[in-house]
Amino acid sequence: EVQLVESGGGLVQPGESLRLSCGASGFRFTKYWMHWVRQGPGKGPLWVSHINSDGNMTDYADSVKGRFTISRDNAKNMLYLQMNSLGVEDTAVYYCVRDLAASAFWGQGTTVTVSS
Amino acid sequence: DIVMTQSPDSLAASLGERATINCKSSQSLLYSSNNKNYLTWYQQKPGQPPKLLIYWASTRESGVPDRFSGSGSGTDFTLTITSLQAEDVAVYYCQQHYTSPITFGQGTRLEIK
Repeated sequence: EVQLVESGGGLVQPGESLRLSCGASGFRFTKYWMHWVRQGPGKGPLWVSHINSDGNMTDYADSVKGRFTISRDNAKNMLYLQMNSLGVEDTAVYYCVRDLAASAFWGQGTTVTVSS
Repeated sequence: DIVMTQSPDSLAASLGERATINCKSSQSLLYSSNNKNYLTWYQQKPGQPPKLLIYWASTRESGVPDRFSGSGSGTDFTLTITSLQAEDVAVYYCQQHYTSPITFGQGTRLEIK
């Protein structure tokens, strides 16, 4: 059974940092590009970042470029998102997603709340 | 960035009726080298993550009921649900992966009349 389990969310103050993790199981992790997608309260999904299967190519939404860093550990089947300089606009459920195409599969998400 | 625009924003239909959701992209999603449209449809129910319904614009994901179908090419796409069931109440999103940044439509909320 395919599983993506996110962790690391929480309540932080503006300017602080968080590191999200996503554990993958039930499929060959090394085969797939992986993504982080967020969804603010009552809003649609917004793509945040992706990383290729080898981990040597990444891309980011303009809104997070320079603040967020995506990475993966293929030996541990783990995906990460380091989030720095968080602002209230980053408040959302963050989903770990496999592929975002023909093999798309979403985790249950982890909630990040940025508030003073 | 490719802008994805769905219509309508919300839709109410009766049980057993047909529901149609449209999605328009600001540029073509048809990749000429493989003749595939880089367009995906998702269904999201309250408190759940989006679930893959349709990929390559018209290929139904395994396990998705055959009352769900996708059509269209280039810039104009449609998700059709024939014979609406109560469990189809959800928000539906289209998404392009033709180019980065990947972008989503604003969503269409489907309710039962």
